[in-house]
Amino acid sequence: EDKVVQSPLSLVVHEGDTVTLNCSYEVTNFRSLLWYKQEKKAPTFLFMLTSSGIEKKSGRLSSILDKKELFSILNITATQTGDSAVYLCAVSRDMRFGAGTRLTVKP
Amino acid sequence: NAGVTQTPKFQVLKTGQSMTLQCAQDMNHEYMSWYRQDPGMGLRLIHYSVGAGITDQGEVPNGYNVSRSTTEDFPLRLLSAAPSQTSVYFCASSYSLAGGGRHYEQYFGPGTRLTVT
Repeated sequence: EDKVVQSPLSLVVHEGDTVTLNCSYEVTNFRSLLWYKQEKKAPTFLFMLTSSGIEKKSGRLSSILDKKELFSILNITATQTGDSAVYLCAVSRDMRFGAGTRLTVKP
Repeated sequence: NAGVTQTPKFQVLKTGQSMTLQCAQDMNHEYMSWYRQDPGMGLRLIHYSVGAGITDQGEVPNGYNVSRSTTEDFPLRLLSAAPSQTSVYFCASSYSLAGGGRHYEQYFGPGTRLTVT
């Protein structure tokens, strides 16, 4: 059965810290891995990764995929309180989501 | 563009009642889907559609029906509500390349919080 596991499940840091969120997966017919940020309501898209070793960046956030070892990481540098959210990883072929990592950034 | 809209925002049902959760998008996306989100479990795919007239089951389809008569609308029907269906329901859409919409960025609606007593 397809599986997506995120770690840690929750994380508390202080502003300015750097965090690394992990997503490991076992899926058949992998097509893509996506990261979403969920604050109070609907998830919003961060990155889509399809190829190994190519880093995607957006401001202080970056992500990379390792298709050999079947995992991805999401890095957030110089964290801010506005980064507090649940970060979700989803893997397709059937867009299976992990349980999420709840990140809390304290002032 | 309104994006993806869902109604109602909140709903309380009694066990055995039926209802329809509405979802509409104005982005001309071919691919639409329904998820439920329960505490500590991420989102689970209920049903999806790759275009008008085409629907398929996701991971947790039991107790739910869908239809897709237009590109814009994708309603989710609860046939006979059960307490286990208490959840937050999200509708999402994405553009589709040869039916591959579920592999791409999805735009989510604001969600419907459903409680079944």
